[in-house]
Amino acid sequence: DIVMSQSPDSLAVSLGERATINCKSSQTILYNSQNYLAWYQHKPGQPPNLLIHWASTRESGVPDRFSGSGSGTDFTLTISSLQAEDVAVYYCQQYYSTPTFGQGTKVEI
Amino acid sequence: EVRLVESGGGLVQPGGSLRLSCAASGFSFDDYAMHWVRQAPGKGLEWVSTINWNGVSIDFADSVKGRFTLSRDNTKNSLYLQMNSLRAEDTAFYYCAKDINSNYAQHTFDFWGQGTLVTVSS
Repeated sequence: DIVMSQSPDSLAVSLGERATINCKSSQTILYNSQNYLAWYQHKPGQPPNLLIHWASTRESGVPDRFSGSGSGTDFTLTISSLQAEDVAVYYCQQYYSTPTFGQGTKVEI
Repeated sequence: EVRLVESGGGLVQPGGSLRLSCAASGFSFDDYAMHWVRQAPGKGLEWVSTINWNGVSIDFADSVKGRFTLSRDNTKNSLYLQMNSLRAEDTAFYYCAKDINSNYAQHTFDFWGQGTLVTVSS
């Protein structure tokens, strides 16, 4: 299985500041110019929420302060201006093969 | 509005069985692959199983293969996860999730239920 590794495990960001989460896959998840990577936001007591897929395609209704980038094996989720409601655990997930998730990154204020 | 409602969780002894159900509404259920994803207490997310739109293609994580079965009833817009030979390490919230793609199982999960808790303990 492809192993997904996120860094850092947690980070504290001031309101209005940028948060950056990194995700690395153990092998390439790029095929036919598409990166098979999604990002989810998971708040306590709620189900996970899909933010981004194909590494950079934002889901409908997701604020544009969330953006995804990267290719091949290295990916980034950026929250350009952190809001209080963004406090959550964020997971990357590859769907190139048997789906696997990163261990999660906890974002706090 | 897409809704996924899981049921059937509870406390079960090691070696026991449980059947989880997921009732879907708000979309054309028989157009989409469906999935189960779990989260053990204090742990991350783990994909468990996928069934394609017509139930012909089913996949399982190695951790549950041979113990869990997955089925769907498109006439009832429902998904079923039969869990046998349960172990302590199966203790988790189990989420039913819809695939984002109506053409094939992309394994990207755009809608999730609230989850149902399975506790395996003596």
